[in-house]
Amino acid sequence: KAGVTQTPRYLIKTRGQQVTLSCSPISGHRSVSWYQQTPGQGLQFLFEYFSETQRNKGNFPGRFSGRQFSNSRSEMNVSTLELGDSALYLCASSSGAGNTEAFFGQGTRLTVV
Amino acid sequence: AQSVSQHNHHVILSEAASLELGCNYSYGGTVNLFWYVQYPGQHLQLLLKYFSGDPLVKGIKGFEAEFIKSKFSFNLRKPSVQWSDTAEYFCAVRGTYKYIFGTGTRLKVLA
Repeated sequence: KAGVTQTPRYLIKTRGQQVTLSCSPISGHRSVSWYQQTPGQGLQFLFEYFSETQRNKGNFPGRFSGRQFSNSRSEMNVSTLELGDSALYLCASSSGAGNTEAFFGQGTRLTVV
Repeated sequence: AQSVSQHNHHVILSEAASLELGCNYSYGGTVNLFWYVQYPGQHLQLLLKYFSGDPLVKGIKGFEAEFIKSKFSFNLRKPSVQWSDTAEYFCAVRGTYKYIFGTGTRLKVLA
């Protein structure tokens, strides 16, 4: 069974640009959530999607947005990049049902210069 | 507010030493608790989970954790660590359509 796939693995962008990150969940999983990981901050929740609907959103500015497609694949977009957006962005997939754990991808390392 | 606190940010142990990493949570609903591990350059992997039942849960690689409801704690333990346990460990609680993570504990095991 294939795991969670995130692309690209690494990105370097300049301030003011925008970026789109992609996540393909485990087959059959309908829930995809996104997290920002930075040293000392741990994992901060961005948003969660289930069957193309955003069910929860974290405390991030509107520059951070996402969507989910009918095949459960998800994309995350960050517009007007700032230096502080440099982080590892992790995607997690789960069935969305109760009493289940999340499975994580390897992440996309975004560096804003 | 929903939160997870990990008390130890950095831990250094020698091989064969015993390990206990603290985790306290604040969450008002049904508690689902997790420990994840992130080895250098690898993705987050589930070590163990607690949903209900026996508060002592056993995970992979000899790890175990005890859920103590009265203390809002879910501490991770391993009787004898190995060099290969060097990694970052995250405690998490599942909230409403999200997981709330602690800030992580970096464990370094000296050979």
